[in-house]
Amino acid sequence: GQQLNQSPQSMFIQEGEDVSMNCTSSSIFNTWLWYKQDPGEGPVLLIALYKAGELTSNGRLTAQFGITRKDSFLNISASIPSDVGIYFCAGQPPPGSYQKVTFGTGTKLQVIP
Amino acid sequence: GAGVSQSPRYKVAKRGQDVALRCDPISGHVSLFWYQQALGQGPEFLTYFQNEAQLDKSGLPSDRFFAERPEGSVSTLKIQRTQQEDSAVYLCASSLEGGRGTGELFFGEGSRLTVL
Repeated sequence: GQQLNQSPQSMFIQEGEDVSMNCTSSSIFNTWLWYKQDPGEGPVLLIALYKAGELTSNGRLTAQFGITRKDSFLNISASIPSDVGIYFCAGQPPPGSYQKVTFGTGTKLQVIP
Repeated sequence: GAGVSQSPRYKVAKRGQDVALRCDPISGHVSLFWYQQALGQGPEFLTYFQNEAQLDKSGLPSDRFFAERPEGSVSTLKIQRTQQEDSAVYLCASSLEGGRGTGELFFGEGSRLTVL
Protein backbone atom coordinates (compact mmCIF):
# COMPACT_ATOMS: atom_id res chain seq x y z
CA GLY A 1 0.00 0.00 0.00
CA GLN A 2 0.99 3.61 -0.48
CA GLN A 3 2.80 5.27 2.40
CA LEU A 4 4.20 8.67 3.09
CA ASN A 5 7.97 9.11 3.10
CA GLN A 6 9.49 10.11 6.39
CA SER A 7 13.03 11.13 7.14
CA PRO A 8 15.23 10.33 8.81
CA GLN A 9 14.41 6.66 9.27
CA SER A 10 16.13 6.65 12.63
CA MET A 11 18.16 8.95 14.81
CA PHE A 12 20.25 8.84 17.94
CA ILE A 13 20.46 12.06 19.91
CA GLN A 14 21.78 13.23 23.23
CA GLU A 15 19.32 14.14 25.92
CA GLY A 16 18.61 17.85 25.76
CA GLU A 17 19.11 18.16 22.01
CA ASP A 18 16.43 19.31 19.62
CA VAL A 19 15.04 16.92 17.01
CA SER A 20 13.53 17.54 13.61
CA MET A 21 11.83 15.08 11.29
CA ASN A 22 9.73 15.51 8.18
CA CYS A 23 7.25 13.81 5.96
CA THR A 24 6.52 14.19 2.25
CA SER A 25 3.77 12.99 -0.01
CA SER A 26 3.17 12.90 -3.74
CA SER A 27 -0.42 14.00 -3.21
CA ILE A 28 -2.00 16.80 -1.21
CA PHE A 29 -3.60 16.34 2.15
CA ASN A 30 -6.22 18.35 3.99
CA THR A 31 -5.06 17.14 7.38
CA TRP A 32 -1.64 16.22 8.67
CA LEU A 33 -1.23 14.31 11.90
CA TRP A 34 1.70 13.17 13.98
CA TYR A 35 1.52 10.04 16.11
CA LYS A 36 3.97 8.39 18.50
CA GLN A 37 4.14 4.65 19.05
CA ASP A 38 5.81 2.97 22.01
CA PRO A 39 6.77 -0.73 21.85
CA GLY A 40 3.77 -3.01 22.20
CA GLU A 41 1.32 -0.14 22.04
CA GLY A 42 -0.86 1.48 19.43
CA PRO A 43 0.02 4.90 18.02
CA VAL A 44 -1.04 7.91 20.08
CA LEU A 45 -1.97 11.22 18.49
CA LEU A 46 0.42 14.07 19.28
CA ILE A 47 -0.61 16.92 17.01
CA ALA A 48 -3.24 17.50 14.30
CA LEU A 49 -2.91 20.20 11.61
CA TYR A 50 -5.80 21.36 9.46
CA LYS A 51 -4.62 24.33 7.43
CA ALA A 52 -1.74 24.88 5.03
CA GLY A 53 0.97 26.90 6.75
CA GLU A 54 -0.42 26.15 10.20
CA LEU A 55 2.13 25.91 13.01
CA THR A 56 0.93 24.13 16.13
CA SER A 57 2.63 23.35 19.42
CA ASN A 58 1.96 20.78 22.09
CA GLY A 59 4.41 21.28 24.93
CA ARG A 60 7.91 20.65 23.58
CA LEU A 61 6.50 19.50 20.25
CA THR A 62 5.92 21.80 17.30
CA ALA A 63 4.53 20.73 13.94
CA GLN A 64 3.87 22.56 10.70
CA PHE A 65 1.56 21.91 7.77
CA GLY A 66 3.53 22.67 4.61
CA ILE A 67 2.32 25.38 2.25
CA THR A 68 2.23 22.96 -0.66
CA ARG A 69 0.04 20.62 1.44
CA LYS A 70 2.40 17.83 0.49
CA ASP A 71 4.68 17.95 3.49
CA SER A 72 4.86 18.43 7.22
CA PHE A 73 7.55 18.51 9.85
CA LEU A 74 7.76 17.81 13.56
CA ASN A 75 10.23 19.36 15.98
CA ILE A 76 10.93 18.18 19.50
CA SER A 77 12.84 20.57 21.69
CA ALA A 78 15.06 19.67 24.64
CA SER A 79 14.60 15.91 24.21
CA ILE A 80 14.20 13.68 27.25
CA PRO A 81 14.51 9.89 27.59
CA SER A 82 10.74 9.33 27.42
CA ASP A 83 10.72 10.81 23.91
CA VAL A 84 12.09 7.47 22.73
CA GLY A 85 9.75 5.76 20.31
CA ILE A 86 8.64 5.69 16.73
CA TYR A 87 7.05 8.82 15.29
CA PHE A 88 4.61 8.50 12.40
CA CYS A 89 3.20 11.20 10.24
CA ALA A 90 -0.23 10.61 8.75
CA GLY A 91 -2.25 12.40 6.14
CA GLN A 92 -5.89 12.68 5.28
CA PRO A 93 -6.89 13.68 1.73
CA PRO A 94 -9.41 16.34 0.73
CA PRO A 95 -13.03 15.51 1.55
CA GLY A 96 -14.63 12.78 -0.44
CA SER A 97 -16.95 9.98 0.51
CA TYR A 98 -14.66 9.59 3.48
CA GLN A 99 -11.08 10.41 4.21
CA LYS A 100 -8.69 7.50 4.58
CA VAL A 101 -5.76 8.19 6.87
CA THR A 102 -2.44 7.09 5.36
CA PHE A 103 0.60 6.62 7.57
CA GLY A 104 4.25 7.33 6.96
CA THR A 105 7.14 4.92 7.24
CA GLY A 106 8.15 6.15 10.69
CA THR A 107 11.14 7.79 12.36
CA LYS A 108 12.69 5.81 15.19
CA LEU A 109 14.06 8.10 17.86
CA GLN A 110 16.56 7.02 20.49
CA VAL A 111 17.72 9.39 23.19
CA ILE A 112 21.04 8.88 24.91
CA PRO A 113 20.90 10.03 28.55
CA GLY B 1 -14.70 1.49 28.08
CA ALA B 2 -12.30 4.38 28.27
CA GLY B 3 -10.21 3.35 25.30
CA VAL B 4 -10.18 1.07 22.30
CA SER B 5 -9.91 -2.52 23.42
CA GLN B 6 -8.60 -5.34 21.24
CA SER B 7 -8.49 -9.05 21.84
CA PRO B 8 -6.63 -11.28 21.83
CA ARG B 9 -3.40 -9.33 22.39
CA TYR B 10 -1.40 -12.24 21.05
CA LYS B 11 -2.44 -15.06 18.76
CA VAL B 12 -0.35 -17.89 17.41
CA ALA B 13 -1.94 -19.82 14.58
CA LYS B 14 -0.82 -22.73 12.49
CA ARG B 15 -0.79 -22.07 8.79
CA GLY B 16 -4.23 -22.78 7.39
CA GLN B 17 -6.14 -21.99 10.56
CA ASP B 18 -8.84 -19.34 10.72
CA VAL B 19 -8.51 -16.49 13.22
CA ALA B 20 -10.86 -13.81 14.50
CA LEU B 21 -9.68 -10.56 16.04
CA ARG B 22 -12.04 -8.39 18.01
CA CYS B 23 -12.17 -4.63 18.46
CA ASP B 24 -14.25 -2.70 20.99
CA PRO B 25 -14.12 0.97 19.95
CA ILE B 26 -14.65 3.92 22.22
CA SER B 27 -18.34 4.22 22.99
CA GLY B 28 -20.09 6.57 20.60
CA HIS B 29 -17.33 6.63 18.01
CA VAL B 30 -18.82 6.47 14.55
CA SER B 31 -15.74 5.61 12.53
CA LEU B 32 -13.71 2.42 12.91
CA PHE B 33 -10.56 1.48 11.04
CA TRP B 34 -8.45 -1.66 10.81
CA TYR B 35 -4.76 -1.34 10.02
CA GLN B 36 -2.05 -3.95 9.51
CA GLN B 37 1.43 -3.18 10.82
CA ALA B 38 4.33 -5.36 9.75
CA LEU B 39 7.51 -5.32 11.81
CA GLY B 40 9.38 -2.06 11.35
CA GLN B 41 6.70 -0.54 9.14
CA GLY B 42 3.96 2.02 9.51
CA PRO B 43 0.33 0.99 9.82
CA GLU B 44 -1.27 0.11 6.49
CA PHE B 45 -4.96 0.66 5.93
CA LEU B 46 -7.17 -2.41 5.62
CA THR B 47 -10.77 -1.30 5.93
CA TYR B 48 -13.08 1.41 7.28
CA PHE B 49 -16.57 1.42 8.80
CA GLN B 50 -18.91 4.29 9.41
CA ASN B 51 -21.34 2.87 11.92
CA GLU B 52 -22.25 -0.56 10.53
CA ALA B 53 -21.50 0.32 6.91
CA GLN B 54 -18.19 -0.85 5.49
CA LEU B 55 -17.38 2.09 3.25
CA ASP B 56 -13.98 0.96 2.08
CA LYS B 57 -12.30 -2.41 2.08
CA SER B 58 -9.74 -1.62 -0.56
CA GLY B 59 -6.83 -2.39 1.74
CA LEU B 60 -7.79 -5.97 2.50
CA PRO B 61 -4.95 -8.06 1.01
CA SER B 62 -7.09 -10.92 -0.26
CA ASP B 63 -10.50 -12.49 -0.06
CA ARG B 64 -9.26 -14.45 2.94
CA PHE B 65 -9.70 -11.25 4.96
CA PHE B 66 -13.16 -10.26 6.08
CA ALA B 67 -14.34 -7.60 8.52
CA GLU B 68 -17.72 -6.80 9.98
CA ARG B 69 -19.34 -4.40 12.39
CA PRO B 70 -22.94 -5.59 12.43
CA GLU B 71 -24.34 -3.27 15.08
CA GLY B 72 -22.10 -0.30 14.52
CA SER B 73 -20.03 -0.90 17.63
CA VAL B 74 -17.82 -3.99 18.07
CA SER B 75 -15.93 -5.09 14.99
CA THR B 76 -14.34 -8.41 14.07
CA LEU B 77 -11.55 -8.98 11.57
CA LYS B 78 -11.48 -12.54 10.34
CA ILE B 79 -8.63 -14.13 8.46
CA GLN B 80 -9.29 -17.47 6.84
CA ARG B 81 -6.67 -20.07 6.00
CA THR B 82 -3.88 -18.00 7.53
CA GLN B 83 -0.52 -17.84 5.81
CA GLN B 84 2.88 -16.82 7.15
CA GLU B 85 2.75 -13.46 5.41
CA ASP B 86 -0.31 -12.62 7.51
CA SER B 87 1.95 -12.37 10.57
CA ALA B 88 1.69 -8.77 11.77
CA VAL B 89 0.13 -6.56 14.38
CA TYR B 90 -3.48 -5.75 13.57
CA LEU B 91 -4.47 -2.36 14.90
CA CYS B 92 -8.00 -1.13 15.37
CA ALA B 93 -8.74 2.58 15.65
CA SER B 94 -11.87 4.60 16.15
CA SER B 95 -12.75 8.25 15.78
CA LEU B 96 -15.66 10.29 16.95
CA GLU B 97 -17.15 11.20 13.62
CA GLY B 98 -16.56 11.52 9.94
CA GLY B 99 -15.36 14.68 8.34
CA ARG B 100 -12.60 16.82 9.81
CA GLY B 101 -12.15 14.79 12.95
CA THR B 102 -11.87 11.44 11.22
CA GLY B 103 -8.09 11.61 11.17
CA GLU B 104 -7.87 11.91 14.93
CA LEU B 105 -7.71 8.21 15.52
CA PHE B 106 -7.65 6.48 18.87
CA PHE B 107 -5.83 3.18 18.57
CA GLY B 108 -6.05 0.00 20.53
CA GLU B 109 -2.92 -1.85 21.64
CA GLY B 110 -3.18 -4.19 18.70
CA SER B 111 -3.43 -7.93 18.21
CA ARG B 112 -0.12 -9.53 17.34
CA LEU B 113 -0.69 -12.48 15.02
CA THR B 114 2.06 -15.01 14.42
CA VAL B 115 1.44 -17.69 11.82
CA LEU B 116 3.72 -20.71 12.05
